[in-house]
Amino acid sequence: GDSVTQMEGPVTLSEEACLTINCTYTATGYPSLFWYVQYPGEGLQLLLKATKADDKGSNKGFEATYRKETTSFHLEKGSVQVSDSAVYFCALSDPFEGNQFYFGTGTSLTVIP
Amino acid sequence: KAGVTQTPRYLIKTRGQQVTLSCSPISGHRSVSWYQQTPGQGLQFLFEYFSETQRNKGNFPGRFSGRQFSNSRSEMNVSTLELGDSALYLCASSKTGQGVGNTIYFGEGSWLTVV
Repeated sequence: GDSVTQMEGPVTLSEEACLTINCTYTATGYPSLFWYVQYPGEGLQLLLKATKADDKGSNKGFEATYRKETTSFHLEKGSVQVSDSAVYFCALSDPFEGNQFYFGTGTSLTVIP
Repeated sequence: KAGVTQTPRYLIKTRGQQVTLSCSPISGHRSVSWYQQTPGQGLQFLFEYFSETQRNKGNFPGRFSGRQFSNSRSEMNVSTLELGDSALYLCASSKTGQGVGNTIYFGEGSWLTVV
């Protein structure tokens, strides 16, 4: 079945450091890939998405590229801020398998000044 | 444009009781799905409704049920509560619930504690 594996946390970085959170997936079809972010006490918010191979999703300085050959969708940011502290979830949705999303376990990021 | 609204935000129930959680989707969205979030299991899919019909269901016992109304609002019910049902219950909505790149938008969740 479909599944997502993402880097274990927690991750602690200093402000302005580079961020990479690894995400790999297993899917039977051609999934769409997503990164969601969850701030303390809140629901998940869409950060970015990509729908086909080699697509790059980007938002708020975050980027992720859909790599079909390595079945990966790593999240990157060149310079993190304290306000980026949150839990990040990689997810996939197979358009031919209904609306069920499969989420990774989440990676907690703390950015210190 | 209002987001997904869930009520109540916080509730405490006793083992054996039942609970009903409510979700109002984004205006114009007809698909509503529910997820359970726990520290140990992460985010797990419960079920999805579209046009008042359950279209997909996750691997949860029959104590977990849901429904959708003609205005797309949805409720989920958990009967005979167990301690392990303590979790954040998240509702998500989307326009059609299908298709390439279909995105789901989450509410802030309902925190359920079972004592």
